[in-house]
Amino acid sequence: AQSVAQPEDQVNVAEGNPLTVKCTYSVSGNPYLFWYVQYPNRGLQFLLKYITGDNLVKGSYGFEAEFNKSQTSFHLKKPSALVSDSALYFCAVRAAMDTGRRALTFGSGTRLQVQP
Amino acid sequence: DTGVSQNPRHKITKRGQNVTFRCDPISEHNRLYWYRQTLGQGPEFLTYFQNEAQLEKSRLLSDRFSAERPKGSFSTLEIQRTEQGDSAMYLCASSLDRGEADTQYFGPGTRLTVL
Repeated sequence: AQSVAQPEDQVNVAEGNPLTVKCTYSVSGNPYLFWYVQYPNRGLQFLLKYITGDNLVKGSYGFEAEFNKSQTSFHLKKPSALVSDSALYFCAVRAAMDTGRRALTFGSGTRLQVQP
Repeated sequence: DTGVSQNPRHKITKRGQNVTFRCDPISEHNRLYWYRQTLGQGPEFLTYFQNEAQLEKSRLLSDRFSAERPKGSFSTLEIQRTEQGDSAMYLCASSLDRGEADTQYFGPGTRLTVL
């Protein structure tokens, strides 16, 4: 069974400071990893994904994430936070070996609050 | 750029009634997914279609739930004899098969409230 843990319910950061939203995963074999963002009363917006190759993945709106296989982590980062980044962030995983399965397993989400 | 659309956006119903939701995927996307999201939780997978074939179903999809994608385009999700525990946001997503980890793009969701 695959699972995702987002250990922080909320992350607070001042505008202009770097931000990190943590994610660890458990999956059989190699993972496909995703980050999505959700604004109030909206669906999920795709930010970035890791499939293979370079451990540092760059995505939308200046976000990036670092894949660390030994620590089974995929933390989301941004060098300089904006107030408009305040939202709910979800990490998701799928096992690369399960070619017949497409279901993503999501974490419980981390609320990012950027203070002006 | 037309994304995934879902209708209705909100549905309030009484316990025991049947409800049906519609999802229109991004055009040319051959895969379509349904998820359910309750307050304070991440989305949970319900079912997945490749074209018109339903290829994967979660244990969450009880006998009261049925999903169809008759012509491989739009999809409907029906819940029969609704219960208060069915209250949630129902999210639809679509993706294009590119032979690797295709990206699922989500619609705005349908929020169901069962009274």
